[in-house]
Amino acid sequence: DAGVIQSPRHEVTEMGQEVTLRCKPISGHNSLFWYRQTMMRGLELLIYFNNNVPIDDSGMPEDRFSAKMPNASFSTLKIQPSEPRDSAVYFCASSPEKGAEEQYFGPGTRLTVT
Amino acid sequence: GENVEQHPSTLSVQEGDSAVIKCTYSDSASNYFPWYKQELGKGPQLIIDIRSNVGEKKDQRIAVTLNKTAKHFSLHITETQPEDSAVYFCAASDVGTASKLTFGTGTRLQVTL
Repeated sequence: DAGVIQSPRHEVTEMGQEVTLRCKPISGHNSLFWYRQTMMRGLELLIYFNNNVPIDDSGMPEDRFSAKMPNASFSTLKIQPSEPRDSAVYFCASSPEKGAEEQYFGPGTRLTVT
Repeated sequence: GENVEQHPSTLSVQEGDSAVIKCTYSDSASNYFPWYKQELGKGPQLIIDIRSNVGEKKDQRIAVTLNKTAKHFSLHITETQPEDSAVYFCAASDVGTASKLTFGTGTRLQVTL
């Protein structure tokens, strides 16, 4: 059974460019979470969806970040324009339950903005 | 909001010894406490969780204890093995209100031969 799938696994881009990260949650899960992990700030929740609807986006750092979930099997996190301080590992997680129980994480996307 | 503190930040034990990682939380409404293991280059993996209606839960060499009065919970790993080496994160959530998980800052566990 496939877990959470994220693409790309690595992304290197120049400052000012648009970056799109993709996530496919586990089939049947109805909650999806986007996290950012850095050495300085640890694991931070950016946004989460329940039944494709954004529930809490208070962690989105600024308007340059946006996330969508057009259907139950796909979500994107977009950064436009990207900045060097956005360099981090971005994780997507999904959960079978509403809210935060039993989250299953993907392998992450390592983003480097030069 | 919830605040989770985790100690120690690094822990080195010899193979076969036990390891204990401790976390405290601030929101008395929190009722779900998972532990995650993160290996290098991978996403966090849920290894065990406990809910506020129990005080202890065990799964083979891993156990978690919860003290609601003191608002702290701990991860215990017995008979440690080199493959236990990883970063461990605790987290807390009030799932009744569909709140988000708040993570601790992580403990890097090194099991030496």
